[in-house]
Amino acid sequence: QSALTQPASVSGSPGQSITISCTGTGSDVGSYNLVSWYQQSPGETPKLIIYEVTRRPSGVSDRFSGSKSDNTASLTISGLQADDEAHYYCCSYARSPTYVLFGGGTKLTVL
Amino acid sequence: QLQLQESGPGLVKPSETLSLTCTVSGGSISTSSYNWGWIRQPPGKGLEWIGSMFYSGNSYYNPSLKSRVTIFIDTSKNQFSLKLTSVTAADTAVYYCARMIVAGGIFFDRVDRWGQGTLVTVSS
Repeated sequence: QSALTQPASVSGSPGQSITISCTGTGSDVGSYNLVSWYQQSPGETPKLIIYEVTRRPSGVSDRFSGSKSDNTASLTISGLQADDEAHYYCCSYARSPTYVLFGGGTKLTVL
Repeated sequence: QLQLQESGPGLVKPSETLSLTCTVSGGSISTSSYNWGWIRQPPGKGLEWIGSMFYSGNSYYNPSLKSRVTIFIDTSKNQFSLKLTSVTAADTAVYYCARMIVAGGIFFDRVDRWGQGTLVTVSS
C-alpha cells in the first residue's frame, strides 16, 4: 500500500496560519480516528504533536490543531513562528496487512 | 523518564544481516499498554514503519519488509531487537526504536517515545 499523500512543501509568514493535508484511503485515514502528526526539526528525532486526529500531548502548543474529513486529515499551525520551520509527517493505522502508514512528509518554511 | 537507546553496527555489507538492539531504561518493557518497534528514515527521505511487537510475542510487520524482518524481545534485559536480512543499499537509513501506544483493540495509536536513532549504511 502507498504512503499517505502530503504536499512536499508549504510556506507562510510569521503570524499567519498554514494547513498541511494528508490524504489516504478508506482503509486507513477514512476508517480510523488514529491519525497522528510528528514534527521533525533538522537533525532531530520526530516529536508527536497531534494524535487521534485532534488531540494534543501535554506540552504541545495550542497553535497546533488537527482535523479530518473523509479520507483526508489536516494539520493547522496558527500564529506561525520561526521555530515551527521543520518537516511534518502524518501517520495512520491501516487495515491488515498494511497496519501503519506514514506520509511522505511536508517541509514547512517560515518566510 | 523512559528512554530508548539503539545500538549496533553502523556499517553492513550488502547481502548480510542488519542487527540492532534497543535498550529501554526508566520503565518496563513488559506491559500490554505499549508495543515496541522500529521505524527507519533513509537519508533525506521520509519515515517508514518496519514492525512492532508486544512483550507477549505478538508481532506485526510492514508487508513490504515482512519476508526479511524479525523483531524479538528479551524481557530479562528490557531490550528488543531487529534483524533485517539480505540488505541492499536501499536499506541504508537512520533506524529508530520506538514505543507505540495501544488504542483499544488496535496495536497502534501513536509513537510516543523515540530513540535517538542510529545510522546504518549498507556498503561493501
